[in-house]
Amino acid sequence: GAGVSQSPSNKVTEKGKDVELRCDPISGHTALYWYRQSLGQGLEFLIYFQGNSAPDKSGLPSDRFSAERTGGSVSTLTIQRTQQEDSAVYLCASSLSGSQETQYFGPGTRLLVL
Amino acid sequence: GQQLNQSPQSMFIQEGEDVSMNCTSSSIFNTWLWYKQDPGEGPVLLIALYKAGELTSNGRLTAQFGITRKDSFLNISASIPSDVGIYFCAGRTSGTYKYIFGTGTRLKVLA
Repeated sequence: GAGVSQSPSNKVTEKGKDVELRCDPISGHTALYWYRQSLGQGLEFLIYFQGNSAPDKSGLPSDRFSAERTGGSVSTLTIQRTQQEDSAVYLCASSLSGSQETQYFGPGTRLLVL
Repeated sequence: GQQLNQSPQSMFIQEGEDVSMNCTSSSIFNTWLWYKQDPGEGPVLLIALYKAGELTSNGRLTAQFGITRKDSFLNISASIPSDVGIYFCAGRTSGTYKYIFGTGTRLKVLA
C-alpha cells in the first residue's frame, strides 16, 4: 500500500469526548495537510506540516483542535471536548514537498458527534 | 480572502454526453488541480495544470488552465456511469503551499 492511510475510517463519539485521528502519509512525503469536509461541502484547510513543523495553523477552527507530527511521518489530529458541529469527514493529504508538488489524499475519517 | 467559484453545482446528464465544468478565482493562480471524489472515498487527482493556457488530457478528461490564470475548465467526453461523483477544482498562488478548493460539481449520469 503506497497511498495515504487514515484511521479510524469511522468514529462515533459523544459530545464532550476527545478524539484522535491518525494519518500515515506516503513514504518520503515531507508535506502533510489536514482538511475538513462537511456534508455536501468542499474542503476546508485546517493545518499544514512541513516535516514536523506546522508553519500554518490558521485553519484550525478553535483551540479545541490541535495536531502534531512526529518523525516527519505520522500525524495525529486531536479534537478536544467534541461538539456536534465537529461532525464531518477529516481528510489527510501528503505531497513530496510543500511548495511545488500536488497532494494525494487518504480515504478520510468520518466523525459523528452525537 | 481568496475565493473559488465552481459551477455548475450539480448536473444530470445522459450517458454518452459531454460534460463541462469550470472554476473561477478572485486571485491569480499558478497551479490548478482537478480531483474526483467517489462516495466514501478521498479525492483522487485527475489532472494537474502548471502553466497559463496549458491543455492537458487524461483519457476522456481534458482540463485547461485559463489564459487569465484566474480560471480553469474540465471537460469529460462521452460520459459513462462510472463518471458519477463529485469533481473539485483546487488552485494555488505562487510561492504558497495552501490550495483553495472549489465547492464541487456533483455529476450524475443517467444510463
